[in-house]
Amino acid sequence: EIVLTQSPGTLSLSPGERATLSCRASQSVTSSYLAWYQQKPGQAPRLLIYGASSRATGIPDRFNGSGSGTDFTLTISRLEPEDFAVYYCQQYGSSPKSFGQGTKLEIK
Amino acid sequence: EVRLVESGGDLVQPGGSLRLSCAASGFTFSNYAMYWVRQAPGKGLEYVSAISTDGGSTYYADSVKGRFSISRDNSKNTLYLQMGNLRTEDMAVYYCARSLYGGNSDAAGVWGQGTLVTVSS
Repeated sequence: EIVLTQSPGTLSLSPGERATLSCRASQSVTSSYLAWYQQKPGQAPRLLIYGASSRATGIPDRFNGSGSGTDFTLTISRLEPEDFAVYYCQQYGSSPKSFGQGTKLEIK
Repeated sequence: EVRLVESGGDLVQPGGSLRLSCAASGFTFSNYAMYWVRQAPGKGLEYVSAISTDGGSTYYADSVKGRFSISRDNSKNTLYLQMGNLRTEDMAVYYCARSLYGGNSDAAGVWGQGTLVTVSS
């Protein structure tokens, strides 16, 4: 089983700042099958990034995914108030399609 | 509009059973692999089960294997999760999700709003 470790656990930033979230896998992720999801309180998760770097439909271009192998990054270039949420990475190349434990992005 | 609507969540005693349903609309249901993902109160996401487009291939997390059964009725555009021998650790919001492009190895591109399963005596 591939274990995904996200860091930091909590990230405190201000609107307009740049956010960098990390997701490290215990083994290489098959074909960069790595996704990022955003979840706001009381809501279902929403797909942001798939294939490590492809934005899902309707996702603003301030969200960027990068990485390969075991190290992946989600960057939000200029934080908007609506971006403060919990972010999860998931690998879906091998079973079980494991999730990271999440990074909470909070307003400083 | 692409939509997934879960139902069936309830309060159940430990050892009990429950069947969750997920009604799909706005897309050709039979063309997409489907998933169940759960989230315990205040916790992260856990991938629970998956089913291929024709139902011929299924996957279960070790934590539910032998107790849960996933199925689908493509004629009714509905996904199911039959849950048995429920434990307190199964208490969670259960989300139904659709594969992004249809395949089994795919991100979850569409999510339902979730249904709450409470396991308590």
